[in-house]
Amino acid sequence: NAGVTQTPKFRILKIGQSMTLQCTQDMNHNYMYWYRQDPGMGLKLIYYSVGAGITDKGEVPNGYNVSRSTTEDFPLRLELAAPSQTSVYFCASSYWFQGRKNNEQFFGPGTRLTVL
Amino acid sequence: DAKTTQPNSMESNEEEPVHLPCNHSTISGTDYIHWYRQLPSQGPEYVIHGLTSNVNNRMASLAIAEDRKSSTLILHRATLRDAAVYYCILLAMYSGGGADGLTFGKGTHLIIQP
Repeated sequence: NAGVTQTPKFRILKIGQSMTLQCTQDMNHNYMYWYRQDPGMGLKLIYYSVGAGITDKGEVPNGYNVSRSTTEDFPLRLELAAPSQTSVYFCASSYWFQGRKNNEQFFGPGTRLTVL
Repeated sequence: DAKTTQPNSMESNEEEPVHLPCNHSTISGTDYIHWYRQLPSQGPEYVIHGLTSNVNNRMASLAIAEDRKSSTLILHRATLRDAAVYYCILLAMYSGGGADGLTFGKGTHLIIQP
């Protein structure tokens, strides 16, 4: 299994440009997440999804959109890039069911985005 | 949300045990204590979790205080590969779902000296 894969690894955007960060997992996990990590800080949750067709906002959703049309894919869309969105973006997935005591999340390698 | 407090950084020597502390004085009865670590230029990875009893796995041990207000991650023989940022995270396990994302603080930067 490849686990969680993210593309691209690096990207530079100009202010106002748009782009989609891709995330795919091959573990048949029902939950998927997008986080961002600013320099020297911990990760913050942007959006999450509990299954295909269901998404919800996390702590810092402004400026982003997501969709989940399949179990495997969870793309993150930036519509109008701003310098404040310069960060490293991590996608994660987990398999959770009611009664499970551990929601171990598996992370991808990250996408480093710079907005100039 | 219950918060955790960790030292900013710790240093240890290779092949010695490392004890990474975490304070969580406002922990609730339904909060599980999770530890993740993030190696340089990588995404975080799960290390261990527990509720009340001490836990062991192939990576580490987790010692939980009797009042659950603090815990300690123990690496029994640190290697250079263990140099990472270690995050102590509380995660509530409701009956309604595990959809909560992880709330990461700044973690403890563990430095291993050869």
